[in-house]
Amino acid sequence: AQTVTQSQPEMSVQEAETVTLSCTYDTSENNYYLFWYKQPPSRQMILVIRQEAYKQQNATENRFSVNFQKAAKSFSLKISDSQLGDTAMYFCADQAKGGGADGLTFGKGTHLIIQP
Amino acid sequence: GAVVSQHPSRVICKSGTSVKIECRSLDFQATTMFWYRQFPKKSLMLMATSNEGSKATYEQGVEKDKFLINHASLTLSTLTVTSAHPEDSSFYICSARAPTSPSYEQYFGPGTRLTVT
Repeated sequence: AQTVTQSQPEMSVQEAETVTLSCTYDTSENNYYLFWYKQPPSRQMILVIRQEAYKQQNATENRFSVNFQKAAKSFSLKISDSQLGDTAMYFCADQAKGGGADGLTFGKGTHLIIQP
Repeated sequence: GAVVSQHPSRVICKSGTSVKIECRSLDFQATTMFWYRQFPKKSLMLMATSNEGSKATYEQGVEKDKFLINHASLTLSTLTVTSAHPEDSSFYICSARAPTSPSYEQYFGPGTRLTVT
């Protein structure tokens, strides 16, 4: 069984600051993907960034980057120059590549609040 | 591209009745769709995996006779909540994966809020 742990229920930072959301996971799979999803008040799930476990290079998408530590099973999300629109729930998720039909295992989420 | 729709967005039904929620992939064919359930201020929990033309695979603890899933075409999966009870009230989200997606990315629908009175 896979588990994903997000230990920060809520975080609040000032606009333009940098914030890091933590995530640890536990999987027995060798091949897997890791994701960060954003869920704004509309509740639409939006993919923020993805990381393939076999790639050592950390993924980056504009202001969003990850620190992927495979041995430690850690997958943190860094948001640089935070903006008011970044306020949302952020979910870390794990997907086993295995048979290709596995759904996502989500962490409990971090509610990120960007203060003006 | 990669748009997934859900219908209805909100539904209120009486206890004991059944309600059907549709999930459609609008611009791609989805061999696999997933159904998640999200309680207020909680995470998403995978309920079942739906494969076109075959029976759905349910996660442990999910009653397959209560939550009927049908994936009759490559663009449509339905979730029917049978004999609904107030504890079935929740936010139901579907996702779909395109077979050509290299990163196994799932595209999420906007969700359906079910309220059982």
